[in-house]
Amino acid sequence: QVQLVQSGAEVKKPGASVKVSCKASEYTFTDYYIYWVRQAPGQGLEWMGWINPSSGGTNYAQGFQGRVTMTRDTSISTAYLDLSRLNSDDTAVYFCARNRDRGPYSGYAHWGQGTLVSVSS
Amino acid sequence: SYVLTQTPSVSVAPGQTARITCGGDNIGSKSVHWYQQKPGQAPVLVIYYDSDRPSGIPERFSGSNSGNTATLTISGVEAGDEADYYCQVWDSSSDQSVFGGGTKLTVL
Repeated sequence: QVQLVQSGAEVKKPGASVKVSCKASEYTFTDYYIYWVRQAPGQGLEWMGWINPSSGGTNYAQGFQGRVTMTRDTSISTAYLDLSRLNSDDTAVYFCARNRDRGPYSGYAHWGQGTLVSVSS
Repeated sequence: SYVLTQTPSVSVAPGQTARITCGGDNIGSKSVHWYQQKPGQAPVLVIYYDSDRPSGIPERFSGSNSGNTATLTISGVEAGDEADYYCQVWDSSSDQSVFGGGTKLTVL
């Protein structure tokens, strides 16, 4: 079945950058967008944006514009989330997700296991 | 940007019916998805397209959407249903998605 496997936990200092990976398997990687969602400790889900693995096109939530970059490597079916200028508010679990159906409308039926990013001096 | 409003907490006794609401401006014109999240786990899609259930989700879970409110209904609530529930919509005007703030369901 569809699998999304994320990279391991990261500890970063304020001002640094972090890159989280999301490796997809058991489906055609370029057929479905990858979405990124984060969750700060004790808080709700926050939608960050998407990447179209086929074209490389992206769309970022306004709160992350200028600090976030989403990329992909189709040769290894992997999407990446790059977040720069980290501060303590960026401490969160970062999830990648895939839609149930092609296109953006059907809900996220598949999720990675989450990657904890901790930002501390 | 589009805002979804959820009641922070709902409590219900086992066997009763829990109704979790998600408010948004004319949300009835959008497709709403619902997720269940238990501590330390990734969210699980329990309802999509307002009222469809993915395979493996019990029939006890149902959804509706009209006007300014979408509702997730859990009938015959069980202890294992205790979790956080989030609604989500796609905002076609921005080509982006948004989540509600979440509702913590407590089974008494």
